[in-house]
Amino acid sequence: GAVVSQHPSWVICKSGTSVKIECRSLDFQATTMFWYRQFPKQSLMLMATSNEGSKATYEQGVEKDKFLINHASLTLSTLTVTSAHPEDSSFYICSARGGLKNSPLHFGNGTRLTVT
Amino acid sequence: AQRVTQPEKLLSVFKGAPVELKCNYSYSGSPELFWYVQYSRQRLQLLLRHISRESIKGFTADLNKGETSFHLKKPFAQEEDSAMYYCALSEGETSGSRLTFGEGTQLTVNP
Repeated sequence: GAVVSQHPSWVICKSGTSVKIECRSLDFQATTMFWYRQFPKQSLMLMATSNEGSKATYEQGVEKDKFLINHASLTLSTLTVTSAHPEDSSFYICSARGGLKNSPLHFGNGTRLTVT
Repeated sequence: AQRVTQPEKLLSVFKGAPVELKCNYSYSGSPELFWYVQYSRQRLQLLLRHISRESIKGFTADLNKGETSFHLKKPFAQEEDSAMYYCALSEGETSGSRLTFGEGTQLTVNP
């Protein structure tokens, strides 16, 4: 079945540095990818919608200059957390959907980001 | 704005007992509802969606527009059903776009 690979699974970085998270669709072309954030014991909160070849659409309250999203190809979207701070520590999950109508969402395994 | 509510964060039943995970939603349009499941140490995966009207792993869910509910049910719970369950709503024209998730219900099926 369709697989979405997310890398890295976990990362620890120092405050002020930037971290890039990759989301790849392994056996299908993902015209749309979504980035979610999940705090402990809370639900997934949509951060942005990434469309191949165009700018991402950010949800209200999400800083686009802090969370840079690039969807340069049909199989890869990246989320870069710039100038990370401890409050950015969270679980980030991507999901991808193919181009066909009614294509289901496939989720990556998530990335645990810890900013020290 | 759309909203999905799962009133129970934790639900514990015994093997063989019926189980119902509640989900209520608020949305002004015509929603598409989903149930996602996350087993321990695994990724989130689609369990079922209301437009399919199918039973997966013995689970069913019926969309009740009058009560704005999409409760997940299984007549006889199994230990392997223990997992985190998320109800989700899609507001897009095509299935699966921009999901709004509920807070999730941790189901534990005891032997």
